[in-house]
Amino acid sequence: DGGITQSPKYLFRKEGQNVTLSCEQNLNHDAMYWYRQDPGQGLRLIYYSQIVNDFQKGDIAEGYSVSREKKESFPLTVTSAQKNPTAFYLCASSIDGQSYNEKLFFGSGTQLSVL
Amino acid sequence: GIQVEQSPPDLILQEGANSTLRCNFSDSVNNLQWFHQNPWGQLINLFYIPSGTKQNGRLSATTVATERYSLLYISSSQTTDSGVYFCAVKIRGGSNYKLTFGKGTLLTVNP
Repeated sequence: DGGITQSPKYLFRKEGQNVTLSCEQNLNHDAMYWYRQDPGQGLRLIYYSQIVNDFQKGDIAEGYSVSREKKESFPLTVTSAQKNPTAFYLCASSIDGQSYNEKLFFGSGTQLSVL
Repeated sequence: GIQVEQSPPDLILQEGANSTLRCNFSDSVNNLQWFHQNPWGQLINLFYIPSGTKQNGRLSATTVATERYSLLYISSSQTTDSGVYFCAVKIRGGSNYKLTFGKGTLLTVNP
């Protein structure tokens, strides 16, 4: 089945630690996105990538980093600089991120908590 | 930036009831999507509906772009309809990657 796989489902971070969230897709989509969801809030864009080896900051990129070495993969690192990392993180993809009428497809999310 | 307001914020129904969820937006849009987030966090794309009306089973959606609102109708609700419903839009003439989400409507359907 085609889809987006996020892992792990739950992740715990210690103070000063960097953690990496995995996102893999087999939809052959060029564009991939990372969103953060806080309780009772809408989704906010962290980073997006429209092509391999290129990515752009979204609205809340501070304290996060990404890489796009393969079309299928878009890992997100939550660095120690992110002082409030506890949230639900969602990875998404779309065909190429170039057209206004693209639909967005999501993975099942990773819940990150601070110990 | 564009404002996306969803109402009501919370809704509790008995199984079998009908409901209407509303999404108001403050600017012209060329992309509007409705999503359902189930209790386990998975978001499912329900509709792409920048204008007009679409139906999919018990769900239907209508967007009146000139009046800047969209409605999601759920008929004969089931417990599996529970979760959060999000509306998301792209501004006409804005960046094609930029989808702005509302805060969602939390729907609880009781048996």
